[in-house]
Amino acid sequence: DAGVIQSPRHEVTEMGQEVTLRCKPISGHDYLFWYRQTMMRGLELLIYFNNNVPIDDSGMPEDRFSAKMPNASFSTLKIQPSEPRDSAVYFCASSLARAYNQPQHFGDGTRLSIL
Amino acid sequence: QQQVKQSPQSLIVQKGGISIINCAYENTAFDYFPWYQQFPGKGPALLIAIRPDVSEKKEGRFTISFNKSAKQFSLHIMDSQPGDSATYFCAASLQRRALTFGSGTRLQVQP
Repeated sequence: DAGVIQSPRHEVTEMGQEVTLRCKPISGHDYLFWYRQTMMRGLELLIYFNNNVPIDDSGMPEDRFSAKMPNASFSTLKIQPSEPRDSAVYFCASSLARAYNQPQHFGDGTRLSIL
Repeated sequence: QQQVKQSPQSLIVQKGGISIINCAYENTAFDYFPWYQQFPGKGPALLIAIRPDVSEKKEGRFTISFNKSAKQFSLHIMDSQPGDSATYFCAASLQRRALTFGSGTRLQVQP
């Protein structure tokens, strides 16, 4: 079975450029989460969706960050303009809420470096 | 987000030994407590999870002990193996909402 697929795996870009991270959740999953991992702050939630609708975006750092889920099989996280402090590993995860407390399945992340 | 505190930050155990990682939470409304294992270059993967109405759960060499009154839970890895060397995260969530993670423990099992 295909897991959560993220692209690109690595992204290096210059400060001020627009960055778009992509995620394909596991087919049939109805929850999608975006997390960010840094040495200083660990793993932190940015935003999550249920049935393509954003439920909680309180973790989005600032207006430079935006996320969309146009359909059940695709989500994007966009940073515009990017800054060096945005450098981190960004993870997408999905889960199925049909049964209580289904586990979240994580992709392998996008390692983002802003120069 | 409510905080989940995890200790130790790093742990070195000899092969065959017991690895113990501890976590404490604040929000008594949390109703799901998973542990995730992460290898370098990979995303976290669910290892084992527990609900607060259970005091202990065991799956193979991995055991979660849960103390609801103390708001603490721990992961025990019995007969630790070099292949267990990874970063371990405790987490907590409320119903189907997002996970609040601990800061992580880097485990190194020496052969």
